[in-house]
Amino acid sequence: NSKVIQTPRYLVKGQGQKAKMRCIPEKGHPVVFWYQQNKNNEFKFLINFQNQEVLQQIDMTEKRFSAECPSNSPCSLEIQSSEAGDSALYLCASSPDSQNTLYFGAGTRLSVL
Amino acid sequence: GDSVTQKQGQVTLSEDDFLFINCTYSTTTYPTLFWYVQYPGQGPQLLLKVTTANNKGISRGFEATYDKGTTSFHLQKASVQESDSAVYFCALLASSGSWQLIFGSGTQLTVMP
Repeated sequence: NSKVIQTPRYLVKGQGQKAKMRCIPEKGHPVVFWYQQNKNNEFKFLINFQNQEVLQQIDMTEKRFSAECPSNSPCSLEIQSSEAGDSALYLCASSPDSQNTLYFGAGTRLSVL
Repeated sequence: GDSVTQKQGQVTLSEDDFLFINCTYSTTTYPTLFWYVQYPGQGPQLLLKVTTANNKGISRGFEATYDKGTTSFHLQKASVQESDSAVYFCALLASSGSWQLIFGSGTQLTVMP
């Protein structure tokens, strides 16, 4: 069983609504990634952190998505104004360092109606 | 740029059949390669990791060897079981600003009893 905890498992939002999901990385893992997996099983990298600092994020993330990994709190990914195309499985993964194996949570499945 | 190619979208086998899934990669750096398995309703789970230091990985009866000459990283198993039915992803650890996983398109394995 994964030690990366993602909540909620399912999220249903209307278009234009905010959608927020959380991730508790595996203990001792300072590196956190967020990926979006669509219905065709394609993975899209969104953003990654080392401790509380953003390492890299894609343009989409900079505009409508916001994410943070505060110390002593769960990491979070929030979509400010959901669109139908945001419907996907959002995966959080953690790693002991930036060039190591990623360990994934079960994901949050977002449906935007 | 770095990329991973899985051409087999679907593989259907019977129990005790031999499994072989193709994966090829392209990178300008020394590759670190992974096979992840994803069961329905779950996030990807690490199955195998192979680096240039150990060009072969074995786990749970699965085996993968990377071939630098042909830039291939195939997954095989001598005798599949119904419980192996899942989606298998080949992935490459690549550097694009920061290190991140680049996934193949996945192979849906269905094992008939």
